[in-house]
Amino acid sequence: DTAVSQTPKYLVTQMGNDKSIKCEQNLGHDTMYWYKQDSKKFLKIMFSYNNKELIINETVPNRFSPKSPDKAHLNLHINSLELGDSAVYFCASGVDTQYFGPGTRLTVL
Amino acid sequence: GESVGLHLPTLSVQEGDNSIINCAYSNSASDYFIWYKQESGKGPQFIIDIRSNMDKRQGQRVTVLLNKTVKHLSLQIAATQPGDSAVYFCAEKKVVWGSQGNLIFGKGTKLSVKP
Repeated sequence: DTAVSQTPKYLVTQMGNDKSIKCEQNLGHDTMYWYKQDSKKFLKIMFSYNNKELIINETVPNRFSPKSPDKAHLNLHINSLELGDSAVYFCASGVDTQYFGPGTRLTVL
Repeated sequence: GESVGLHLPTLSVQEGDNSIINCAYSNSASDYFIWYKQESGKGPQFIIDIRSNMDKRQGQRVTVLLNKTVKHLSLQIAATQPGDSAVYFCAEKKVVWGSQGNLIFGKGTKLSVKP
C-alpha cells in the first residue's frame, strides 16, 4: 500500500552507461515530479508532469528524459551517465502537498 | 533571485525540550509553505503546511508560524523526542501556471535530540 514507490533503491553504474529509474504512485494525483538531492542534502526540482504532459523542465541536461506512460507513472531515463549525476533522486506526486518516494541512490563510477 | 534558506544548519536539543527551526524566504508572492522531515535513507515526509492567509497552524506536537512582514517561517516541535531526530526542510511553492508549480526547498536543518 506504498503511496509513492521507486525502483531501484540503489543503482551503481559506470560512466557512459544509460540507466532508468521507475516511479509509481497510487494516490490518484495528476501531477508527478522528479527531484535531485545532492551530497549536501539540497533538494532541487528537475521535472514536473501533469496528466502525462511536461509542465516543468528546470534546465536539466537533455541526457535526462522523463517518460510518463500514464498519470500514475513517471520514469526517468538517463543517457551517458556522468560522475556529477551521482545523487539521490526522488519522485513525488501531488499539487500543493507533495508526497515523496523513498529515493534512488545513484552512484556513477 | 528566489531563495528559501534556514538560519541554523544544525540544532541540538535535550529530549523533552521544545525545538524551533527557522526559515527565511525571499519571494513575497509565495502563498503556500510546507515543512518536511527527512530521516536518514528515506524520502522527505510531510509534517505541516500553511497558506499565506494564515499566520499560525497547529498539528500534533508541531506548530508552524508564518510572518509575512519579515518573510519568516518557523517550525516548533513540542516535547522533542529521539524519533524527531532528522533533517527538516522548509519549502515554498513557486507557481508555474494555474495551480501548477514546484517546491523550492531550503538547505535543511539537522535536528539532534539528546536523551
